[in-house]
Amino acid sequence: GAGVSQSPSNKVTEKGKDVELRCDPISGHTALYWYRQRLGQGLEFLIYFQGNSAPDKSGLPSDRFSAERTGESVSTLTIQRTQQEDSAVYLCASRTGGTDTQYFGPGTRLTVL
Amino acid sequence: QKEVEQNSGPLSVPEGAIASLNCTYSDRGSQSFFWYRQYSGKSPELIMFIYSNGDKEDGRFTAQLNKASQYVSLLIRDSQPSDSATYLCAVNGGSGSSGDKLTFGTGTRLAVRP
Repeated sequence: GAGVSQSPSNKVTEKGKDVELRCDPISGHTALYWYRQRLGQGLEFLIYFQGNSAPDKSGLPSDRFSAERTGESVSTLTIQRTQQEDSAVYLCASRTGGTDTQYFGPGTRLTVL
Repeated sequence: QKEVEQNSGPLSVPEGAIASLNCTYSDRGSQSFFWYRQYSGKSPELIMFIYSNGDKEDGRFTAQLNKASQYVSLLIRDSQPSDSATYLCAVNGGSGSSGDKLTFGTGTRLAVRP
């Protein structure tokens, strides 16, 4: 079946603008994760959804970052008043309830000028 | 102390050799262990997972887990240039964190020389 999809694949924005990143998980996957990966760095956990609730938001770096999820479907990550340090690849992953194996989407490359 | 530690490399091996990638983790309560491969500019893809002490083999890949030593490794036999990538170790189910959250190491860059 289809894998995790993310849009847009690339986003260039100006400092101070808001951006929305979208993730479509694999159908039937109840858990959804957002990660950030800065250039040459490892993956940094941001937030985790189980269904449409977020039991772990511990990785969100500031109150400029928020995320929501509709049911067990699409999630959006919103970054308000973007800063240059927000430039990174934002990765989404999903997993089914029966395992703890996460499958990643292709990512959104965000560049803040 | 980082929760999941990997040598950043690069680890350079000749084509056909065995590449050995290592990872240590700090949370003794960790239950599940994963190896992901990430090509430059691409997203991580799952290579293997292991839950029990010992070895798990899948084709040219063998994952090894030693919970007493808090150590997990990935061996790649008959290394090919196409194996050149960054290998990410990830750990789940630690006692001090959300049991559903993966904690990633920073990755080891592998370069296989033709």
